[in-house]
Amino acid sequence: QKEVEQDPGPLSVPEGAIVSLNCTYSNSAFQYFMWYRQYSRKGPELLMYTYSSGNKEDGRFTAQVDKSSKYISLFIRDSQPSDSATYLCAIGTQGAQKLVFGQGTRLTINP
Amino acid sequence: DTGVSQDPRHKITKRGQNVTFRCDPISEHNRLYWYRQTLGQGPEFLTYFQNEAQLEKSRLLSDRFSAERPKGSFSTLEIQRTEQGDSAMYLCASSTSRFSNQPQHFGDGTRLSIL
Repeated sequence: QKEVEQDPGPLSVPEGAIVSLNCTYSNSAFQYFMWYRQYSRKGPELLMYTYSSGNKEDGRFTAQVDKSSKYISLFIRDSQPSDSATYLCAIGTQGAQKLVFGQGTRLTINP
Repeated sequence: DTGVSQDPRHKITKRGQNVTFRCDPISEHNRLYWYRQTLGQGPEFLTYFQNEAQLEKSRLLSDRFSAERPKGSFSTLEIQRTEQGDSAMYLCASSTSRFSNQPQHFGDGTRLSIL
């Protein structure tokens, strides 16, 4: 079993839709959680990071963490064609520097 | 631009050759990381430095791989006797230890193609 599981998609939605992206993880030692966006032939770009259960909002993006279920989500409201990219969840343990990434979900927003 | 810089962006080489990649981190970041990403997969951790000290290495980092950060600033990743399976995107990231659990910021990677 992989430490972090992420549905690779692809996911295709119309412009303006609410998008939900999810990851599950197996190690309860994981303490901090990140979402990165990656455009083709570019490096991952940090979108959100959080260390606690609950919701964290930044503009159109909301990150949600449920440590009891070992489940994290990223919601994108009012999705735009420019949001079309691969979204990666990344998880780390307290004090450790290695990030464990999900496989990435390829998202397309159709105009 | 004060982001993480990687050079070259793309390297094509024949099997068996040695290659070296360079990473320049964000200037105030003392931690530097190398990851490898293959098509359709998330990045996989290879190694990490705090200042000039290499503090962790993945089992993925075989004896053919070596990374250095001699002055605690830029880093190099060398692959000796390249193999077909080394074809991947090599990503560098940096962060600061000034505050705990700071996120890692990535460069745009070096894409390695082995002929």
